[in-house]
Amino acid sequence: LAKTTQPISMDSYEGQEVNITCSHNNIATNDYITWYQQFPSQGPRFIIQGYKTKVTNEVASLFIPADRKSSTLSLPRVSLSDTAVYYCLVGSSGSARQLTFGSGTQLTVLP
Amino acid sequence: GAGVSQSPSNKVTEKGKDVELRCDPISGHTALYWYRQSLGQGLEFLIYFQGNSAPDKSGLPSDRFSAERTGGSVSTLTIQRTQQEDSAVYLCASSSRRERTDTQYFGPGTRLTVL
Repeated sequence: LAKTTQPISMDSYEGQEVNITCSHNNIATNDYITWYQQFPSQGPRFIIQGYKTKVTNEVASLFIPADRKSSTLSLPRVSLSDTAVYYCLVGSSGSARQLTFGSGTQLTVLP
Repeated sequence: GAGVSQSPSNKVTEKGKDVELRCDPISGHTALYWYRQSLGQGLEFLIYFQGNSAPDKSGLPSDRFSAERTGGSVSTLTIQRTQQEDSAVYLCASSSRRERTDTQYFGPGTRLTVL
């Protein structure tokens, strides 16, 4: 079971780029890296997923180095509405025990 | 299309009572998960259903907790003889094995308060 480690909290200002790094030293060959976003009183929402190198979608980018022992979620030009908890998950398809969300990173975007 | 729905949205009960929480997954999703989230904490895995396979119950905290999934669709999480420490938000998620990497889609949760 790949354990993940993230910073507990981060502060940023509107318009800045935010990078949140997750460590997963014992990631397995078949494991993917998935990031979720959770607003208060809501369930987590899928943001982005990747296996290696770089993945980009309309919301974020995910950078994964060659050794895959960490990953960095990049949020470009954050706004106040990006204030949320961000979770990093590592696991493979069909593996129920991938489901260790951890405490996540509380991102607070300031005006 | 319709997302994952959960009911009730809020449940207040007295210590010692039994409660049932319902989850309606996205149609066609074969995998269903239950989590618990205490105030200010991360998500705690409870149980996982995948198709007709035996569920993974390894996250259930005690034998007071049980869950079933009827007809491969709707799931019910039952907590017997509730305790105050059971107070939390209970989240359900579903995913499709056709999506290779099993992205989970979450419901809004049921907030359980045990008095």
